Amino acid sequence: AQKVTQAQTEISVVEKEDVTLDCVYETRDTTYYLFWYKQPPSGELVFLIRRNSFDEQNEISGRYSWNFQKSTSSFNFTITASQVVDSAVYFCALGDSNYQLIWGAGTKLIIKP
Amino acid sequence: SQTIHQWPATLVQPVGSPLSLECTVEGTSNPNLYWYRQAAGRGLQLLFYSVGIGQISSEVPQNLSASRPQDRQFILSSKKLLLSDSGFYLCAWSAQGYEQYFGPGTRLTVT
Repeated sequence: AQKVTQAQTEISVVEKEDVTLDCVYETRDTTYYLFWYKQPPSGELVFLIRRNSFDEQNEISGRYSWNFQKSTSSFNFTITASQVVDSAVYFCALGDSNYQLIWGAGTKLIIKP
Repeated sequence: SQTIHQWPATLVQPVGSPLSLECTVEGTSNPNLYWYRQAAGRGLQLLFYSVGIGQISSEVPQNLSASRPQDRQFILSSKKLLLSDSGFYLCAWSAQGYEQYFGPGTRLTVT
């Protein structure tokens, strides 16, 4: 069965701290895609990144970085020097062979000033 | 560039009343379209998806239905709302690939 687990329901850190959001997935597909989305308080989901299963290079975009490890079936997301504007719910998702996304339950990130 | 619109932004409806939520996409052709529901503080539940006009796949049995009368228009409907239909409804589109792009959502409260 395909599944995405975000074990951290809620994380609270003080501004400027680094924070890592965990994502563990299960799939039998050899080709698949992994995603991260951000949902700020306004509600609209914002696409952050897509990673292909055959590309294990880590990705960095400004303060955001993603660590994809097939050996542990994980796709973790790190925010460096967090800011209050990073406060949101973050979702990890797995793309299956039918172009559907299997979503994790989300991690609520609270950045305190 | 592509834009996705949803309306209304908020809606309060009594139990037993009908529902019609509309989603339109601009700037792309033949998109895959999706309706999701998100209960308060919960994750996303896929309700319907469509790969073309008149082609609707339902993921969850319920009293909701969806239609795609035009290539870039996706409508979510109900004949009689239930209290359990309350939630945040999100429409999304994707090209023939994976990334889904979401609209601003509709907050529905059934009273």
